[in-house]
Amino acid sequence: EAGVVQSPRYKIIEKKQPVAFWCNPISGHNTLYWYRQNLGQGPELLIRYENEEAVDDSQLPKDRFSAERLKGVDSTLKIQPAELGDSAVYLCASSLDYTKTQYFGPGTRLLVL
Amino acid sequence: GNSVTQMEGPVTLSEEAFLTINCTYTATGYPSLFWYVQYPGEGLQLLLKATKADDKGSNKGFEATYRKETTSFHLEKGSVQVSDSAVYFCALSVTGNQFYFGTGTSLTVIP
Repeated sequence: EAGVVQSPRYKIIEKKQPVAFWCNPISGHNTLYWYRQNLGQGPELLIRYENEEAVDDSQLPKDRFSAERLKGVDSTLKIQPAELGDSAVYLCASSLDYTKTQYFGPGTRLLVL
Repeated sequence: GNSVTQMEGPVTLSEEAFLTINCTYTATGYPSLFWYVQYPGEGLQLLLKATKADDKGSNKGFEATYRKETTSFHLEKGSVQVSDSAVYFCALSVTGNQFYFGTGTSLTVIP
């Protein structure tokens, strides 16, 4: 069974530029999560989707971050414009539903210069 | 509130040494507890979990027991290998909602 797929794996951009990350969850998983992991820290939830619906986006900085999960499968997380402090690893995870084990992708490592 | 505190690293051990990584938690309600492992360049992988008090999770020689009286979920392994070198995260989840992760403990095992 294929795991959670994320792309790109690495991204380097200049501040004020836009950037987007893509996630393909495990087939059949209804719940999708985006996390941000700062250096030396544990992951922090940005947004959780149940199918197409964003059910928990309280930690998403909505002035510059946006996310979508069209058709309840793939998801895209966007930052516009990026700031220096956005440098981090962005992790996507999925689970059958919100009560089940989360499976993580390899992450996208973002560096904002 | 909900939070996890785990021992700071980095931890360096010789092969076949005994490993303990401490984890304590605070939670509203009755949490499930998890240990995740992150190998270099990879995403987090579930290592083991326990869903109620006195449960013991185990996998790949690692064990952790859910201790409600001490609000702890310490990770142990009797004999570590070089391949165990990774970052270990303790986490909790209350009623399947948001996960709360610790800051991670880096383990390096030297031959």
